[in-house]
Amino acid sequence: DQQVKQNSPSLRVQEGRISILNCDYTNSMFDYFLWYKKYPAEGPTFLISISSIKDKNEDGRFTVFLNKSAKHLSLHIVPSQPGDSAVYFCAASVRNYGGSQGNLIFGKGTKLSVKP
Amino acid sequence: KAGVTQTPRYLIKTRGQQVTLSCSPISGHRSVSWYQQTPGQGLQFLFEYFSETQRNKGNFPGRFSGRQFSNSRSEMNVSTLELGDSALYLCASSLVYGPSTDTQYFGPGTRLTVL
Repeated sequence: DQQVKQNSPSLRVQEGRISILNCDYTNSMFDYFLWYKKYPAEGPTFLISISSIKDKNEDGRFTVFLNKSAKHLSLHIVPSQPGDSAVYFCAASVRNYGGSQGNLIFGKGTKLSVKP
Repeated sequence: KAGVTQTPRYLIKTRGQQVTLSCSPISGHRSVSWYQQTPGQGLQFLFEYFSETQRNKGNFPGRFSGRQFSNSRSEMNVSTLELGDSALYLCASSLVYGPSTDTQYFGPGTRLTVL
């Protein structure tokens, strides 16, 4: 069973518009969430994270929203740029029970294509 | 500051052989995690090491093993390779282990092909 789900395998957006990538999770023990971006032949690059005690975190063009009651988080990219074209992974972990941060559970990714 | 490095970048092996992959974390990082990425299963956690001890293990058979050295460098070993072990193996490092908000930083991966 998938604990972290990204139901849209792909997303196409026009340059300058908003990109919204969605992620759902099932494990209510998750208390830390991250988004990674991955280009082909490279490792994932950390983008932004959010703790379960918050519902929003912003970093430049990237904002992550967390809705704990719905077990849903989303990544907003505004404005979208062609260089944002990549696969985006949502990840979650349990940190508050003496566990490590090593056990990230990843979604299967959403391929974002930003067209000029 | 140099990032996470992994060697080799590409590897071709045949079924039944064994393989060792190496990971050097970011300088000062003491925790190293390993992940397997395949098209069907996505990114899956293998194990995590801190202070030369395995702290956490994912749901993989015993053919997958690892270790960490005193300088925090880590190796993972896969014995008796199977076709299904063909994947991108990613190493990630972070500063500490335990409840914190520290982030993992990934290396470029080792692409293993089993023929």
